[in-house]
Amino acid sequence: KNQVEQSPQSLIILEGKNCTLQCNYTVSPFSNLRWYKQDTGRGPVSLTIMTFSENTKSNGRYTATLDADTKQSSLHITASQLSDSASYICVVQADSWGKLQFGAGTQVVVTP
Amino acid sequence: SAVISQKPSRDICQRGTSLTIQCQVDSQVTMMFWYRQQPGQSLTLIATANQGSEATYESGFVIDKFPISRPNLTFSTLTVSNLSPEDSSIYLCSVEGYTFGSGTRLTVV
Repeated sequence: KNQVEQSPQSLIILEGKNCTLQCNYTVSPFSNLRWYKQDTGRGPVSLTIMTFSENTKSNGRYTATLDADTKQSSLHITASQLSDSASYICVVQADSWGKLQFGAGTQVVVTP
Repeated sequence: SAVISQKPSRDICQRGTSLTIQCQVDSQVTMMFWYRQQPGQSLTLIATANQGSEATYESGFVIDKFPISRPNLTFSTLTVSNLSPEDSSIYLCSVEGYTFGSGTRLTVV
């Protein structure tokens, strides 16, 4: 069973609207959680990274939240743009040298 | 964070041949990682490459199929050998688990 579950699997939103992606994890112990954006055919690009003590972090129009008690994270995209169309991957690391555990990703399509 | 140059960005190869992918990092790093991303799937770790030692392979991946070189602290190669259509994927390198290369899209015909 995957230790990092993302929802929804995909979504379509209108340009200018907001959306929220979810990530639930069971990885333990916990070191950090990252959100990546992956454009089609390209490598993932880091958006945010949060450690146990952080519960929110922003990167422009992207805001990630973390609840380490419930092992849940979300990524909120504000005022979506066409360039936001991509796969968004939640990645959890168990400790500083632990392997990365990848979620399956949420495919976001922004339409005009 | 480190900047990674990965080559080639894409290739189409005949079955039975091999493809070697290169990753060059702009700073010295201890660990480099190689991943495979099959169509519609998330990333799967192939192996971890430390300079001066044999690469460590994950379950389901073997050195004969995916030989890796790590000649210094800024460079690594992954070879995908004896290609079959099932090897068609995106291959990515990563350093210290954080930054990824731009990926190599391999299509085997």
